[in-house]
Amino acid sequence: DAKTTQPTSMDCAEGRAANLPCNHSTISGNEYVYWYRQIHSQGPQYIIHGLKNNETNEMASLIITEDRKSSTLILPHATLRDTAVYYCIVRSIISNFGNEKLTFGTGTRLTIIP
Amino acid sequence: SQTIHQWPATLVQPVGSPLSLECTVEGTSNPNLYWYRQAAGRGLQLLFYSVGIGQISSEVPQNLSASRPQDRQFILSSKKLLLSDSGFYLCAWSQGAMDSNQPQHFGDGTRLSIL
Repeated sequence: DAKTTQPTSMDCAEGRAANLPCNHSTISGNEYVYWYRQIHSQGPQYIIHGLKNNETNEMASLIITEDRKSSTLILPHATLRDTAVYYCIVRSIISNFGNEKLTFGTGTRLTIIP
Repeated sequence: SQTIHQWPATLVQPVGSPLSLECTVEGTSNPNLYWYRQAAGRGLQLLFYSVGIGQISSEVPQNLSASRPQDRQFILSSKKLLLSDSGFYLCAWSQGAMDSNQPQHFGDGTRLSIL
């Protein structure tokens, strides 16, 4: 699976949009981009995923650049409960041994400021 | 809607004791099931996954084992725990073929401390 690079930490004011970048410059054509977040002492929570088109759901929006080498997760109106570590993951859908695992990096620690 | 349950939430065990962690999924059938371990400050390590009853694949060799006695039940076991088995154990499920793009969904985990 392709490696991802994320900033170690970010702050965002409550009520503002939080924009979390992710670089995945070695992504290949069959790899999806997934975003998860993990609040302390809880399991990772799935947020959104996409291949090349921008995606939106009730939690967030995912913007993927045209060359697919980077993406941005957008939380449109951040609340204090959005404080968490956010992980960007790329995963192939080719059925190879070990493909099934999710490889989490160190993620971005997002702190929402009141 | 689908839900995933793990228990216990916290466990303290002496070295050499046995282990049994249980995970169940509700609201879906024939899910793919996974056991991960997360060491403090590090990413997730896949331990086992299963595509069906009695079908277990191991990602890394270790003194842990997994079983799937029922469609929506996944158990992580050990006969003799080691200090290095301490960590945060997470169960996850996904739907569809293993080569689909369906996301994995995680339980709230079991924090295991070995003394």
